Amino acid sequence: QITLKESGPTLVKPTQTLTLTCTVSGFSLSTTGVGVGWIRQPPGKALEWLALIFWDDDKRYRPSLKRRLSITKDTSKNQVVLTMTNMDPVDTGTYYCAHWGFGVYSLDVWGQGTTVTVSS
Amino acid sequence: EILMTQSPATLSVSPGERATLSCRASQSVTTNLAWYQQKPGQAPRLLIYGASTRATGFPARFSGSGSGTEFTLTISSLQSEDFAVYYCQQYNDWPLTFGPGTKVNIK
Repeated sequence: QITLKESGPTLVKPTQTLTLTCTVSGFSLSTTGVGVGWIRQPPGKALEWLALIFWDDDKRYRPSLKRRLSITKDTSKNQVVLTMTNMDPVDTGTYYCAHWGFGVYSLDVWGQGTTVTVSS
Repeated sequence: EILMTQSPATLSVSPGERATLSCRASQSVTTNLAWYQQKPGQAPRLLIYGASTRATGFPARFSGSGSGTEFTLTISSLQSEDFAVYYCQQYNDWPLTFGPGTKVNIK
């Protein structure tokens, strides 16, 4: 059974860097075709894809946020880490990580999400 | 970036009735289109991928159709557990993009 769980700070100050960790189980981050993505959702608003990393370390980013984002993986720890620099109150929301399914080619299993508030 | 739009924004339907949700892409995404269901306070769940393939765990009353730029999600007979927000998302090109969602309300 594939599961993902997000962890990280619930409150960050403006201009700080956010670091979120997605711990996965039920699959290996090195399995061909596998990926893990990050998606966020401001309160009451729609989903916004941020970044995705594949089994071969190929990385994709939302162009408008690319300068602020970094996604990495640690296969031995079964973790994917997203960092976002220069946080602003508009970055407040729920952050999800999700499994990218080989053959499904979409985000087929999601974590429960973690809420991040950006405020001084 | 491929822009996804959805209509209507809100759909009020009585239990047992049919619901038809639309999704449009600003350029062709072939059939690289997914639908997600999100209930209040929960993470989204993959509902449909490949425009028409139902994901595990969803009953046959959910069906997806379309290709190119026009897509439809149909719920043939709404049950109480189907009231939620539905998002479409294209994965034909980067960046992945979601539509703004359709909220299905109880009438």
